[in-house]
Amino acid sequence: EDQVTQSPEALRLQEGESSSLNCSYTVSGLRGLFWYRQDPGKGPEFLFTLYSAGEEKEKERLKATLTKKESFLHITAPKPEDSATYLCAVHSPYGGSQGNLIFGKGTKLSVKP
Amino acid sequence: GAGVSQTPSNKVTEKGKYVELRCDPISGHTALYWYRQSLGQGPEFLIYFQGTGAADDSGLPNDRFFAVRPEGSVSTLKIQRTERGDSAVYLCASSPGGGADTQYFGPGTRLTVL
Repeated sequence: EDQVTQSPEALRLQEGESSSLNCSYTVSGLRGLFWYRQDPGKGPEFLFTLYSAGEEKEKERLKATLTKKESFLHITAPKPEDSATYLCAVHSPYGGSQGNLIFGKGTKLSVKP
Repeated sequence: GAGVSQTPSNKVTEKGKYVELRCDPISGHTALYWYRQSLGQGPEFLIYFQGTGAADDSGLPNDRFFAVRPEGSVSTLKIQRTERGDSAVYLCASSPGGGADTQYFGPGTRLTVL
């Protein structure tokens, strides 16, 4: 069964304190790994898509990387406005569905000034 | 351009009532998805449309849930005989062509069943 596990569940950082969020996955044929940001009371906001091991993508203070078993979201010198829940999701066409994403439970990030 | 929109933003209903939730996808997107998100959890897949047809409805929890997309654009999620356990945020997403295309989410409808 396809699974996505995110750790830690919650992370508290001081402003400027860099860290990483982990997303471990077990899928039968990865077609894409997606990172989303979700603010309270809002829908997930797309950040990155990674398709193959070794791929990296960056956007401002965020950098996403992918291996064959996990993905990391690195946050460099975070600011309070980076506080949100970060969701990881995978797409696999062999998990009984053609199109849906399988999500982890998310990591709730809090950045204190 | 305009993103995915969902109406209403909040819906409060009583146990046993019927509700409809609406989703307007990004213009030109052929794929549309419904997910359900409970507090502290990631979104869970319900149904996927490619054009007008339901390509995969394996995530619908039971036959009280039904969704349509008659003209290949707007979709309506319908829940009959609502139960308290149906309370959640219902999210809609669309993508250009399905498969591993990036899915763009709407703001969600928070459904509360009293």
